[in-house]
Amino acid sequence: NAGVTQTPKFQVLKTGQSMTLQCAQDMNHEYMSWYRQDPGMGLRLIHYSVGAGITDQGEVPNGYNVSRSTTEDFPLRLLSAAPSQTSVYFCASSYSGQGYGVRYTFGSGTRLTVV
Amino acid sequence: AQTVTQSQPEMSVQEAETVTLSCTYDTSESDYYLFWYKQPPSRQMILVIRQEAYKQQNATENRFSVNFQKAAKSFSLKISDSQLGDAAMYFCAYRRIQGAQKLVFGQGTRLTINP
Repeated sequence: NAGVTQTPKFQVLKTGQSMTLQCAQDMNHEYMSWYRQDPGMGLRLIHYSVGAGITDQGEVPNGYNVSRSTTEDFPLRLLSAAPSQTSVYFCASSYSGQGYGVRYTFGSGTRLTVV
Repeated sequence: AQTVTQSQPEMSVQEAETVTLSCTYDTSESDYYLFWYKQPPSRQMILVIRQEAYKQQNATENRFSVNFQKAAKSFSLKISDSQLGDAAMYFCAYRRIQGAQKLVFGQGTRLTINP
C-alpha cells in the first residue's frame, strides 16, 4: 500500500544510547519531515527535507540528526538519548501541485521511551 | 514566526449534538493553508478539512465545516450530528503557501462524545 512507513512502532532506550527511526515513502514526494508529539504541545517540527541531499532544522532539532540520500528515505537519528526525548515521533511526506492542493501523509508514529 | 493556538484542551458533547472547536493563528502572510487533523487512539493523523486563505467560502466536508475569519485570524471547526467515532484529539495546523512546506500545529483539543 502506498504511504509512509515508520519503524519501529515502539522502542525503549536507556539514557545515552543511540538509535535510528526509519521513515520511507513510496509516493515520490519531495518534502519529508519529522515531528515529535508531546502532551499539551501538539506536534513540533524537528527536521525537514525538501529533496534528496537537502535537509534543514525545524523548531526542536537539538539531539537529533537527519540525512536524505534518496527521495524515499528520511531516517531520524538520536545521537545520545535523554529522558526529555521520550515522545511520540511522526514522519510525514507531502506533495504540493496544481490541482492537488497540498496533501500530507503521516506515518503511524513511533512511541519512544528513554529510561 | 507563525503560531497556532487552540485554547480548549478538552471538549465534550452529547452524541448527535453540535460542537465547535476553536483555533486562532498568528501570521503576517496573506496566503496560506489551514488544516484540521483528527488523531484517534490509533495515533493515525487523519485530515479532516483544509482551507485555502484566498478562498472566502468556508470549507465543508460532510458533517464537518469551518468558520474561517481571516481578519480575526480565527479558524474554528464545527462538527454536526456528533458520532461516537468522532472522539479523538483534534489539531489545527497552518502552512505558508510559499517556501518550505512546514506545518505548524496547535496544542490540540481532546473531544469526548457522550452517548
